[in-house]
Amino acid sequence: KAGVTQTPRYLIKTRGQQVTLSCSPISGHRSVSWYQQTPGQGLQFLFEYFSETQRNKGNFPGRFSGRQFSNSRSEMNVSTLELGDSALYLCASSGTSGSREQFFGPGTRLTVL
Amino acid sequence: QKEVEQNSGPLSVPEGAIASLNCTYSDRGSQSFFWYRQYSGKSPELIMFIYSNGDKEDGRFTAQLNKASQYVSLLIRDSQPSDSATYLCASSSGGSYIPTFGRGTSLIVHP
Repeated sequence: KAGVTQTPRYLIKTRGQQVTLSCSPISGHRSVSWYQQTPGQGLQFLFEYFSETQRNKGNFPGRFSGRQFSNSRSEMNVSTLELGDSALYLCASSGTSGSREQFFGPGTRLTVL
Repeated sequence: QKEVEQNSGPLSVPEGAIASLNCTYSDRGSQSFFWYRQYSGKSPELIMFIYSNGDKEDGRFTAQLNKASQYVSLLIRDSQPSDSATYLCASSSGGSYIPTFGRGTSLIVHP
């Protein structure tokens, strides 16, 4: 079974620009969660989508948004980029049974200059 | 505020020894607990999960859960240099199932 895929793997943007990241979950998984990881803050939860609906949301400003498509693929958008948005953005997918453990994709490394 | 606490380390152990990684959590409603391994520059990889009190073994890894003490641990037997990584502990409740992650413990296994 293929794992979680994320594109692109690396991005360099300048302040004020916007960016869109993409995530394809494990086949059959309908939940997709997004995280931001920085050395200073660790893994911070952004939001979770399930069946095209945002089901949970973390404490990030409205510049961070996302959506999910009918095939469970998800995108995350960050508008008006700030230097502090430089981070590893991770997507994780989970199924609907058992402990609902999350499986992470390889991440997108975003650098804002 | 749900919190998961881990000692940042680094924890340094010699090759072949047992590495013991510990984690405490604040939410008494937590039901599932996870250990992830993250190599530098890579994404977290799930290595163990546990939801019942006691021990759960998988190869060289043993996860231990004590809900009364709100304590989770991961033992790595016969540690190898390839086990050198950051280990993230996470807990989730039955409500949202969104895990709360600790900041991770850095493990160094030296030859």
